[in-house]
Amino acid sequence: QTVVTQEPSFSVSPGGTVTLTCGLSSGSVSTSYYPSWYQQTPGQAPRTLIYNTNTRSSGVPDRFSGSILGNKAALTITGAQADDESDYYCVLYMTSGISVFGGGTKLTVL
Amino acid sequence: QVQLQESGPGLVKPSETLSLTCGVSGYSISSGYYWGWIRQPPGKGLEWIGSIYHSGNTYYNPSLKSRVTISVDTSKNQFSLKLSSVTAADTAVYYCARRQYYFDYWGQGTLVTVSS
Repeated sequence: QTVVTQEPSFSVSPGGTVTLTCGLSSGSVSTSYYPSWYQQTPGQAPRTLIYNTNTRSSGVPDRFSGSILGNKAALTITGAQADDESDYYCVLYMTSGISVFGGGTKLTVL
Repeated sequence: QVQLQESGPGLVKPSETLSLTCGVSGYSISSGYYWGWIRQPPGKGLEWIGSIYHSGNTYYNPSLKSRVTISVDTSKNQFSLKLSSVTAADTAVYYCARRQYYFDYWGQGTLVTVSS
């Protein structure tokens, strides 16, 4: 069973920079997994932020960026704002055709 | 603009089958892409259930595969989810979404409660 790992929680100061990561319980994340990132606020459907590792979805501010850092996918928020306080999920696409969500990271901006 | 809308009963009894439909507008399912279901139990994270192509090819979450059937009706431009033998653990908001290697368009979600 493939497990995708994320930090359960993170905090950042307004204006600060934070990097959330997305790893595999066994193995390294590469671009071959087409990592994607989603933002979700309470009561709302997820919003697609980043796909194919580092491509921003339409309308997503450029303070959000995606990359591979070491053996993990990463989402970096530069110049965090109060309304960035949300849950963030990564998804990895497996060659078997299945998609696996990470457990999500609750980001606090304070 | 692609839009997806979930519909179906909001309450299902334990041991019965949960059935939901996702209507798609602004894009023809027959034109391509996979179409899928994701769920989120109250207070918990997102879980991919499965996806289907317009040809009927499917992929399912291995942990749910024995209970899940996803089907597509291209004439109505919609696809459906059936989850059998439900328990309280299947209580969740169910989302439908379009999938490439990632999910680009999402429905608003519908809450399904499993309770007698």
